Amino acid sequence: GEDVEQSLFLSVREGDSSVINCTYTDSSSTYLYWYKQEPGAGLQLLTYIFSNMDMKQDQRLTVLLNKKDKHLSLRIADTQTGDSAIYFCAESITGGGNKLTFGTGTQLKVEL
Amino acid sequence: KAGVTQTPRYLIKTRGQQVTLSCSPISGHRSVSWYQQTPGQGLQFLFEYFSETQRNKGNFPGRFSGRQFSNSRSEMNVSTLELGDSALYLCASSLGGSQPQHFGDGTRLSIL
Repeated sequence: GEDVEQSLFLSVREGDSSVINCTYTDSSSTYLYWYKQEPGAGLQLLTYIFSNMDMKQDQRLTVLLNKKDKHLSLRIADTQTGDSAIYFCAESITGGGNKLTFGTGTQLKVEL
Repeated sequence: KAGVTQTPRYLIKTRGQQVTLSCSPISGHRSVSWYQQTPGQGLQFLFEYFSETQRNKGNFPGRFSGRQFSNSRSEMNVSTLELGDSALYLCASSLGGSQPQHFGDGTRLSIL
């Protein structure tokens, strides 16, 4: 079955790196996504990785995928106060069309 | 390029009423998906439409329905509203296939 888990909270100091973790259970995942949600807004697509990749880097964002442990992480370098938000990981399943299964979300708080 | 547009942004209804939410996808996107976001259940998939056909459906009662028009715009209808239907309803569009989904800012529905 499909189940995606994340830790609920993360607090970091401005300028430090943030690492948000996610575990998933369905081994037939096709794509894994990271979305950001700010208060009162929808979901902003940050980045995504195909399940046959190990790593993807996009400016300050680095995604690491460990397929053996079904573990996905998002690293934000030089974290800024504007990065404070809720971060969701999501998976799409092979043959599942465009259905996304989301994690519970991790609230990132960036302190000065 | 305009993003996904959802109208209205806010709605207040009473129990037993029905409501229609609208979503205009990104130009050229033929797939539209709907999600419900609540504090208790998180983000849950409602259904997906592609070229006017429902392609995928989540685990929601029949009171939740949708449709897609020939211009790819989509509407979602909820009949006989219940207090538990209070939520943020998010629409997402994509090119289809395994292409990433882009979300609108949502419609906040409150049931009194």
